[in-house]
Amino acid sequence: GAGVSQSPSNKVTEKGKDVELRCDPISGHTALYWYRQSLGQGLEFLIYFQGNSAPDKSGLPSDRFSAERTGGSVSTLTIQRTQQEDSAVYLCASSLSGSSNQPQHFGDGTRLSIL
Amino acid sequence: SQQGEEDPQALSIQEGENATMNCSYKTSINNLQWYRQNSGRGLVHLILIRSNEREKHSGRLRVTLDTSKKSSSLLITASRAADTASYFCATDEGSNYKLTFGKGTLLTVNP
Repeated sequence: GAGVSQSPSNKVTEKGKDVELRCDPISGHTALYWYRQSLGQGLEFLIYFQGNSAPDKSGLPSDRFSAERTGGSVSTLTIQRTQQEDSAVYLCASSLSGSSNQPQHFGDGTRLSIL
Repeated sequence: SQQGEEDPQALSIQEGENATMNCSYKTSINNLQWYRQNSGRGLVHLILIRSNEREKHSGRLRVTLDTSKKSSSLLITASRAADTASYFCATDEGSNYKLTFGKGTLLTVNP
């Protein structure tokens, strides 16, 4: 069955470059979340989408980070002018309607390394 | 600090033994969820317990919730090497849509 798919699985780039991370949620899931996980740490919330709207962007660390979602489906997280502290695993999750009493379904993440 | 804090940070046991992990939180919740993460993979939902529930079972998993102590425990019985993973609790802090994850317990089950 189709789960949450993220691409690329790994990305190595030089400091100062822009990167785009992609998330394909489970079909029919209206809620989509982006998280960041640093080595050995828990998940840091970045942004929540309901449909194509982002009612909660409170976790985005700086204005270098942005995200969009189109067609109520695919989402891209863009990091401009990357810094070394942006190195982490970026995880995407989707849930049926976004209620906190529903499970979130995660992709395997994009491991981002900034040289 | 994180809403959900797991304890211990790491746990190493032998196959067949039981593993108990604890989670404490600070504010009132509607739900608490437990997730597992294998190395290099995403999180997988294990079980959800509502604030009006005290105990829930799923296969070899048993979760308890004590809202008066703001704590939850996850018990894995008769552990297997395949249970080796990090385990996270996640709370909603009363939010309708958002989960806050702890830093996790790394469980190692030795064959």
